[in-house]
Amino acid sequence: DIQVTQSPSSLSASVGDRVTISCRASQSISSYLNWYQQKQGKAPKLLIYAASSLQSGVPSRFSGTGSGTDFTLTISSLQPEDFATYYCQQSYSTPPTFGQGTKVEIK
Amino acid sequence: EVQLLDSGGDSVQPGGSLRLSCAASGFTFSSNAMSWVRQAPGKGLEWVSGISGSGGSKYYADSVKGRFTISRDNSKNTLFLQMNNLRAEDTALYYCAKDASRTVTTLYDYWGQGTLVTVSS
Repeated sequence: DIQVTQSPSSLSASVGDRVTISCRASQSISSYLNWYQQKQGKAPKLLIYAASSLQSGVPSRFSGTGSGTDFTLTISSLQPEDFATYYCQQSYSTPPTFGQGTKVEIK
Repeated sequence: EVQLLDSGGDSVQPGGSLRLSCAASGFTFSSNAMSWVRQAPGKGLEWVSGISGSGGSKYYADSVKGRFTISRDNSKNTLFLQMNNLRAEDTALYYCAKDASRTVTTLYDYWGQGTLVTVSS
Protein backbone atom coordinates (compact mmCIF):
# COMPACT_ATOMS: atom_id res chain seq x y z
CA ASP A 1 0.00 0.00 0.00
CA ILE A 2 1.10 3.58 -0.64
CA GLN A 3 1.75 5.47 2.57
CA VAL A 4 0.78 9.13 2.76
CA THR A 5 2.34 11.32 5.45
CA GLN A 6 1.07 14.78 6.35
CA SER A 7 2.84 17.51 8.24
CA PRO A 8 2.35 19.14 10.60
CA SER A 9 -0.23 17.12 12.57
CA SER A 10 -1.58 20.38 13.98
CA LEU A 11 -0.96 24.09 13.73
CA SER A 12 -2.21 27.28 15.31
CA ALA A 13 -2.84 30.29 13.12
CA SER A 14 -4.66 33.60 13.14
CA VAL A 15 -7.32 34.89 10.80
CA GLY A 16 -5.59 36.32 7.74
CA ASP A 17 -2.50 34.10 8.02
CA ARG A 18 -1.12 32.11 5.12
CA VAL A 19 -1.18 28.42 5.98
CA THR A 20 0.60 25.55 4.25
CA ILE A 21 0.15 21.83 4.85
CA SER A 22 2.44 19.23 3.33
CA CYS A 23 1.76 15.71 2.16
CA ARG A 24 4.35 13.15 1.07
CA ALA A 25 3.66 9.83 -0.64
CA SER A 26 5.85 6.76 -0.17
CA GLN A 27 6.18 6.40 -3.97
CA SER A 28 5.37 8.50 -6.98
CA ILE A 29 1.63 9.03 -7.45
CA SER A 30 1.85 11.48 -10.35
CA SER A 31 -0.90 14.03 -9.61
CA TYR A 32 -3.38 11.61 -8.02
CA LEU A 33 -3.58 13.55 -4.79
CA ASN A 34 -6.74 15.03 -3.28
CA TRP A 35 -7.40 17.29 -0.30
CA TYR A 36 -10.44 17.18 1.99
CA GLN A 37 -11.64 19.45 4.78
CA GLN A 38 -13.48 18.01 7.75
CA LYS A 39 -15.16 20.17 10.35
CA GLN A 40 -16.00 18.80 13.76
CA GLY A 41 -18.94 16.40 13.60
CA LYS A 42 -19.30 16.72 9.84
CA ALA A 43 -18.45 14.63 6.80
CA PRO A 44 -15.32 15.39 4.78
CA LYS A 45 -15.62 17.85 1.92
CA LEU A 46 -13.55 17.74 -1.26
CA LEU A 47 -11.42 20.86 -1.72
CA ILE A 48 -8.73 20.03 -4.28
CA TYR A 49 -8.43 17.11 -6.69
CA ALA A 50 -5.65 16.00 -9.03
CA ALA A 51 -3.18 17.92 -6.87
CA SER A 52 -4.15 21.39 -8.07
CA SER A 53 -7.73 21.49 -9.39
CA LEU A 54 -10.17 23.45 -7.26
CA GLN A 55 -13.48 21.67 -6.63
CA SER A 56 -16.53 23.64 -7.73
CA GLY A 57 -17.76 26.03 -5.06
CA VAL A 58 -14.53 26.03 -3.05
CA PRO A 59 -13.09 29.51 -2.36
CA SER A 60 -10.07 30.51 -4.40
CA ARG A 61 -7.99 31.10 -1.24
CA PHE A 62 -7.44 27.32 -1.29
CA SER A 63 -4.80 26.03 -3.69
CA GLY A 64 -2.78 22.89 -4.21
CA THR A 65 0.57 22.18 -5.80
CA GLY A 66 2.90 19.27 -6.34
CA SER A 67 3.42 16.08 -8.27
CA GLY A 68 5.29 12.83 -7.80
CA THR A 69 5.72 12.42 -4.05
CA ASP A 70 5.50 15.93 -2.57
CA PHE A 71 2.36 18.03 -2.36
CA THR A 72 1.18 21.18 -0.62
CA LEU A 73 -2.18 22.66 0.33
CA THR A 74 -2.13 26.42 0.84
CA ILE A 75 -4.76 28.66 2.36
CA SER A 76 -3.75 32.16 1.29
CA SER A 77 -5.67 34.07 3.95
CA LEU A 78 -7.17 31.98 6.72
CA GLN A 79 -10.83 32.68 7.46
CA PRO A 80 -12.82 31.78 10.61
CA GLU A 81 -14.70 29.05 8.73
CA ASP A 82 -11.41 27.37 7.72
CA PHE A 83 -10.63 26.06 11.18
CA ALA A 84 -10.94 22.33 10.63
CA THR A 85 -8.95 19.17 10.01
CA TYR A 86 -7.46 18.67 6.55
CA TYR A 87 -6.66 15.30 4.97
CA CYS A 88 -4.71 14.43 1.86
CA GLN A 89 -5.57 11.22 0.01
CA GLN A 90 -3.88 9.36 -2.82
CA SER A 91 -6.12 7.96 -5.55
CA TYR A 92 -3.28 6.52 -7.63
CA SER A 93 -3.87 2.93 -6.56
CA THR A 94 -6.23 0.78 -4.52
CA PRO A 95 -6.44 0.83 -1.58
CA PRO A 96 -6.69 4.61 -1.48
CA THR A 97 -4.90 5.94 1.57
CA PHE A 98 -5.32 9.08 3.61
CA GLY A 99 -2.85 11.16 5.53
CA GLN A 100 -3.28 11.25 9.27
CA GLY A 101 -4.78 14.76 9.16
CA THR A 102 -3.72 18.28 10.04
CA LYS A 103 -5.81 20.11 12.58
CA VAL A 104 -5.86 23.88 12.03
CA GLU A 105 -6.67 25.69 15.25
CA ILE A 106 -7.20 29.29 16.25
CA LYS A 107 -4.17 31.05 17.73
CA GLU B 1 -28.76 18.46 -5.19
CA VAL B 2 -26.74 15.34 -4.41
CA GLN B 3 -27.79 13.67 -1.16
CA LEU B 4 -26.41 10.54 0.48
CA LEU B 5 -28.28 9.25 3.52
CA ASP B 6 -26.41 6.65 5.56
CA SER B 7 -28.28 4.34 7.91
CA GLY B 8 -28.12 0.99 9.65
CA GLY B 9 -25.48 1.66 12.27
CA ASP B 10 -26.02 0.15 15.71
CA SER B 11 -24.31 -1.32 18.74
CA VAL B 12 -23.50 -5.03 18.37
CA GLN B 13 -21.46 -7.68 20.14
CA PRO B 14 -18.22 -9.05 18.72
CA GLY B 15 -18.99 -11.69 16.09
CA GLY B 16 -22.29 -10.02 15.20
CA SER B 17 -23.55 -8.69 11.89
CA LEU B 18 -24.95 -5.45 10.54
CA ARG B 19 -26.12 -4.18 7.19
CA LEU B 20 -25.49 -0.54 6.36
CA SER B 21 -27.43 1.33 3.68
CA CYS B 22 -26.85 4.53 1.78
CA ALA B 23 -29.80 6.05 -0.05
CA ALA B 24 -28.70 8.29 -2.90
CA SER B 25 -30.53 11.04 -4.75
CA GLY B 26 -29.81 14.00 -6.98
CA PHE B 27 -27.66 12.17 -9.55
CA THR B 28 -27.82 9.15 -11.85
CA PHE B 29 -26.80 6.54 -9.30
CA SER B 30 -25.67 3.87 -11.76
CA SER B 31 -23.26 6.34 -13.39
CA ASN B 32 -21.00 6.56 -10.37
CA ALA B 33 -18.88 4.18 -8.39
CA MET B 34 -19.43 4.29 -4.63
CA SER B 35 -17.35 3.51 -1.59
CA TRP B 36 -17.51 3.12 2.16
CA VAL B 37 -14.97 5.00 4.25
CA ARG B 38 -14.81 4.76 8.03
CA GLN B 39 -13.47 6.87 10.86
CA ALA B 40 -12.77 5.39 14.28
CA PRO B 41 -13.53 7.74 17.20
CA GLY B 42 -10.94 10.54 17.27
CA LYS B 43 -8.99 9.00 14.39
CA GLY B 44 -8.42 9.57 10.69
CA LEU B 45 -10.14 8.26 7.58
CA GLU B 46 -9.83 4.66 6.40
CA TRP B 47 -11.15 3.33 3.10
CA VAL B 48 -13.19 0.15 3.53
CA SER B 49 -14.62 -0.91 0.18
CA GLY B 50 -15.57 0.31 -3.28
CA ILE B 51 -17.91 -0.80 -6.07
CA SER B 52 -18.20 0.26 -9.70
CA GLY B 53 -21.33 1.87 -11.12
CA SER B 54 -22.54 -1.38 -12.64
CA GLY B 55 -21.69 -3.36 -9.53
CA GLY B 56 -19.43 -5.64 -11.54
CA SER B 57 -16.18 -4.62 -9.83
CA LYS B 58 -15.71 -4.68 -6.08
CA TYR B 59 -12.71 -3.86 -3.92
CA TYR B 60 -11.97 -4.35 -0.22
CA ALA B 61 -9.42 -3.28 2.33
CA ASP B 62 -7.40 -6.20 3.65
CA SER B 63 -8.76 -5.51 7.14
CA VAL B 64 -12.33 -6.38 6.09
CA LYS B 65 -11.80 -8.84 3.21
CA GLY B 66 -13.82 -11.99 3.74
CA ARG B 67 -16.02 -10.38 6.40
CA PHE B 68 -17.65 -7.43 4.61
CA THR B 69 -19.56 -7.43 1.33
CA ILE B 70 -20.38 -4.33 -0.68
CA SER B 71 -23.34 -4.29 -3.06
CA ARG B 72 -25.72 -1.89 -4.73
CA ASP B 73 -29.27 -1.84 -6.06
CA ASN B 74 -29.30 0.60 -8.95
CA SER B 75 -33.08 0.28 -9.32
CA LYS B 76 -33.45 1.63 -5.78
CA ASN B 77 -30.47 4.03 -5.78
CA THR B 78 -29.07 2.33 -2.70
CA LEU B 79 -25.61 1.19 -1.64
CA PHE B 80 -25.13 -1.52 0.99
CA LEU B 81 -22.40 -2.87 3.22
CA GLN B 82 -23.01 -6.26 4.81
CA MET B 83 -20.72 -6.57 7.82
CA ASN B 84 -20.22 -10.03 9.37
CA ASN B 85 -18.01 -11.31 12.17
CA LEU B 86 -17.62 -7.82 13.54
CA ARG B 87 -14.64 -6.99 15.73
CA ALA B 88 -13.99 -4.25 18.28
CA GLU B 89 -11.63 -2.59 15.80
CA ASP B 90 -14.53 -2.14 13.35
CA THR B 91 -16.03 0.44 15.71
CA ALA B 92 -16.29 3.63 13.66
CA LEU B 93 -18.46 6.15 11.90
CA TYR B 94 -19.09 4.71 8.43
CA TYR B 95 -19.52 7.13 5.53
CA CYS B 96 -20.73 6.31 2.06
CA ALA B 97 -18.93 8.35 -0.56
CA LYS B 98 -19.74 9.06 -4.19
CA ASP B 99 -16.94 8.55 -6.66
CA ALA B 100 -16.49 11.20 -9.35
CA SER B 101 -16.47 8.47 -12.02
CA ARG B 102 -18.32 5.31 -13.12
CA THR B 103 -15.20 3.29 -12.33
CA VAL B 104 -13.61 3.16 -8.90
CA THR B 105 -11.19 6.07 -9.04
CA THR B 106 -11.50 6.79 -5.28
CA LEU B 107 -11.93 10.51 -5.81
CA TYR B 108 -14.93 11.37 -3.63
CA ASP B 109 -16.96 14.47 -4.47
CA TYR B 110 -19.85 13.86 -2.07
CA TRP B 111 -20.12 12.12 1.30
CA GLY B 112 -23.01 10.93 3.45
CA GLN B 113 -23.42 12.10 7.02
CA GLY B 114 -22.18 8.83 8.45
CA THR B 115 -23.72 6.03 10.51
CA LEU B 116 -22.15 4.82 13.75
CA VAL B 117 -21.18 1.21 14.31
CA THR B 118 -20.14 0.19 17.82
CA VAL B 119 -18.79 -3.30 18.47
CA SER B 120 -18.57 -4.09 22.16
CA SER B 121 -19.45 -6.80 24.60
